[in-house]
Amino acid sequence: GENVEQHPSTLSVQEGDSAVIKCTYSDSASNYFPWYKQELGKRPQLIIDIRSNVGEKKDQRIAVTLNKTAKHFSLHITETQPEDSAVYFCAASDGNKLVFGAGTILRVKS
Amino acid sequence: DAGVIQSPRHEVTEMGQEVTLRCKPISGHNSLFWYRQTMMRGLELLIYFNNNVPIDDSGMPEDRFSAKMPNASFSTLKIQPSEPRDSAVYFCASSLNPGARDYNEQFFGPGTRLTVL
Repeated sequence: GENVEQHPSTLSVQEGDSAVIKCTYSDSASNYFPWYKQELGKRPQLIIDIRSNVGEKKDQRIAVTLNKTAKHFSLHITETQPEDSAVYFCAASDGNKLVFGAGTILRVKS
Repeated sequence: DAGVIQSPRHEVTEMGQEVTLRCKPISGHNSLFWYRQTMMRGLELLIYFNNNVPIDDSGMPEDRFSAKMPNASFSTLKIQPSEPRDSAVYFCASSLNPGARDYNEQFFGPGTRLTVL
């Protein structure tokens, strides 16, 4: 089955700097890659997703890149703000179910 | 749209008791997922349903766990008997999946925080 690895497990950045979180997946059949943000005590919420027919997608300060050959995808957050502090999860799916990475705790220091 | 609704939001029970968690998916969604979240194991998929039919229950930890979806607007996750190691946050999520190998966003409910003493 699918296995998703996520790095780093924790990330501290200064406000205004960029943050990058990386994930690798094992199943070449996976074709959908969402990223979820979970604030403390809240539910995971989708912030951006990418499908296998696209290499990059951007939404304001957030971007995701996908390298299908290498089976890895990354989340990029630019101009980080304190409200970006949260746990971020990547996931992969072949169309049936999502397999989540272990999560990255992002701390933005002001 | 009220989103995915879960009840109760918090449950404290004693070891050996039966626990029933409830979920109402977003109207029109045809896929429903039950997850468990702990610090040690992260976000684990327990079981998911497509069109009310259980598709994959390989994540259900053991026979003490069972899930049902009697209709498109209601699902339950039952633990009987409960044990302290079942303490976790249980999330229900739903999505609209138009067909095989096509995927749309999963919307999570607020979760049920379960504590088994």
